[in-house]
Amino acid sequence: AQRVTQPEKLLSVFKGAPVELKCNYSYSGSPELFWYVQYSRQRLQLLLRHISRESIKGFTADLNKGETSFHLKKPFAQEEDSAMYYCALSSGGSYIPTFGRGTSLIVHP
Amino acid sequence: GAGVSQTPSNKVTEKGKYVELRCDPISGHTALYWYRQSLGQGPEFLIYFQGTGAADDSGLPNDRFFAVRPEGSVSTLKIQRTERGDSAVYLCASSLKPRDTEAFFGQGTRLTVV
Repeated sequence: AQRVTQPEKLLSVFKGAPVELKCNYSYSGSPELFWYVQYSRQRLQLLLRHISRESIKGFTADLNKGETSFHLKKPFAQEEDSAMYYCALSSGGSYIPTFGRGTSLIVHP
Repeated sequence: GAGVSQTPSNKVTEKGKYVELRCDPISGHTALYWYRQSLGQGPEFLIYFQGTGAADDSGLPNDRFFAVRPEGSVSTLKIQRTERGDSAVYLCASSLKPRDTEAFFGQGTRLTVV
């Protein structure tokens, strides 16, 4: 069975500080990993996926198969980054995303 | 173009009643997903449609839950004999084609069973 673990429910930082939101997964095959974000009063939306290897809004995430991790990072947090962040995994068979419980990021001015 | 639309946005019902939640996916999207999100949790998979058929309904918690998508577009999630534990936000998502890995979410329906 596939599983996604986000160990932190809440992460609080000051503007300009580096941010790392942790995500670990368990899956025996080759997964696809994603980060979704939900800003206040908005719908859940895709932030980035590992296969794209892109940086979105200054965020990056690297898939580490050895550590089964897909941590989300940003070198300098901005107040507008405050949101709920969900890590998700999709397997090659079903392509149905499985989500972690989410981490609330609060960036203080 | 419009995104995924869910109606109603809020629904309060009494324990034991029947409810229907509607999802209008993005036009042309063949894959449709239902998720349930309880307070403090991430979205939990319920059912996945590919076209008109339920390709995977392994996430439905019990036989009180049922979903249809008769014409391959709009979907309805039906809950019979609602229980207080069914209270949650029900999310619908769609994607363009099979195995398209970006899902577009609706705003959700907040169901409260009193």
